[in-house]
Amino acid sequence: NAGVTQTPKFQVLKTGQSMTLQCAQDMNHEYMSWYRQDPGMGLRLIHYSVGAGITDQGEVPNGYNVSRSTTEDFPLRLLSAAPSQTSVYFCASSYPAGAGELFFGEGSRLTVL
Amino acid sequence: DQQVKQNSPSLSVQEGRISILNCDYTNSMFDYFLWYKKYPAEGPTFLISISSIKDKNEDGRFTVFLNKSAKHLSLHIVPSQPGDSAVYFCAASATVSYSGGGADGLTFGKGTHLIIQP
Repeated sequence: NAGVTQTPKFQVLKTGQSMTLQCAQDMNHEYMSWYRQDPGMGLRLIHYSVGAGITDQGEVPNGYNVSRSTTEDFPLRLLSAAPSQTSVYFCASSYPAGAGELFFGEGSRLTVL
Repeated sequence: DQQVKQNSPSLSVQEGRISILNCDYTNSMFDYFLWYKKYPAEGPTFLISISSIKDKNEDGRFTVFLNKSAKHLSLHIVPSQPGDSAVYFCAASATVSYSGGGADGLTFGKGTHLIIQP
């Protein structure tokens, strides 16, 4: 019973490096999203997708790209990492499409030096 | 501009007593509200929700109250147990935004760290 799986759990990058945070869900959820959690800031929406082939920006999209080629996967790409992107990233999904009860992954802690 | 506000960063309650966590919102379009619980090094997990057509929803020890005129909701935990120690996030959404495909996702508050003292 996997739910939402995120990899890697921890990552250290140097400024300017690129990487992809992986997210996969096995619940056939239409809606998937990425949040970042920073101290004192709560959870802020980065990007979301209401179905395969459809993505859109959330509150803090700058510096991140996403794609949704399948229902199951929703990777988050950092093209050129910056220290301001040091954060804990959470992937979440729900069904039906929308912002109802979200199921979250365990998080990916990213440090950019 | 913070649309969902949790003004208490932390709250300490004795085991067995009632814990009351508060949340205020400013967006009149919000019509669905949720509480999430988060332990360290884990993702948030859904706790309880309430639709704007109700003013109360109960699930075991957890009750959420909604006061639409005051744009205020609260989560009551009775009785509080040590395992309730966690960060609690209030979240809100406007169903009209996602039903039309323009899903803005959930808007979260900054969280309240609840500490249950033995």
